[in-house]
Amino acid sequence: IAGITQAPTSQILAAGRRMTLRCTQDMRHNAMYWYRQDLGLGLRLIHYSNTAGTTGKGEVPDGYSVSRANTDDFPLTLASAVPSQTSVYFCASSDTRETGELFFGEGSRLTVL
Amino acid sequence: AQSVTQLGSHVSVSEGALVLLRCNYSSSVPPYLFWYVQYPNQGLQLLLKYTSAATLVKGINGFEAEFKKSETSFHLTKPSAHMSDAAEYFCAVRRSGNTPLVFGKGTRLSVIA
Repeated sequence: IAGITQAPTSQILAAGRRMTLRCTQDMRHNAMYWYRQDLGLGLRLIHYSNTAGTTGKGEVPDGYSVSRANTDDFPLTLASAVPSQTSVYFCASSDTRETGELFFGEGSRLTVL
Repeated sequence: AQSVTQLGSHVSVSEGALVLLRCNYSSSVPPYLFWYVQYPNQGLQLLLKYTSAATLVKGINGFEAEFKKSETSFHLTKPSAHMSDAAEYFCAVRRSGNTPLVFGKGTRLSVIA
């Protein structure tokens, strides 16, 4: 089934460790996004990429980095995890040449201790 | 800057009753507007979208929303609630196809038997 695949689905991580959340899409969408979801705060944009080779900062980019080497993959890296990065992370993609509706992955639940 | 306000973090209705979830947006230009639904432990899926065509938009599962420019609103309704409608609902706005979606904080819908 076409869509977005995120890995891992769940991870417990010690503070200070480096972690990469993986995201792959097979819809050939030009744009990809990372959001974090926290209770009472909704979804907040971390980073995005409108096309391969370019990235942009969202609302809450600090402590996170991304890369977009090709159309399909958009990994999110936490260089040195902190407890405040405990969250559910959603990757999404869209075709911005049309209405730009987002297609979401199933999420990655990250706990930083 | 775009923003979305969802009135009521939690709405509770009886099975068979009208569902009304409120969303107001701010945007300097006519926007694209979206409603997404999130069932427990899942990603978000699109319910419906407004893209400057008809102001009354019909979506999946019997939901619809009406774009009212004069009120800057895009409220979500369903005539008769089902138990299966219990979920988190997010309103989102996009100024143009190339800008990321901005989400509201979400409204949790409970349906009482």
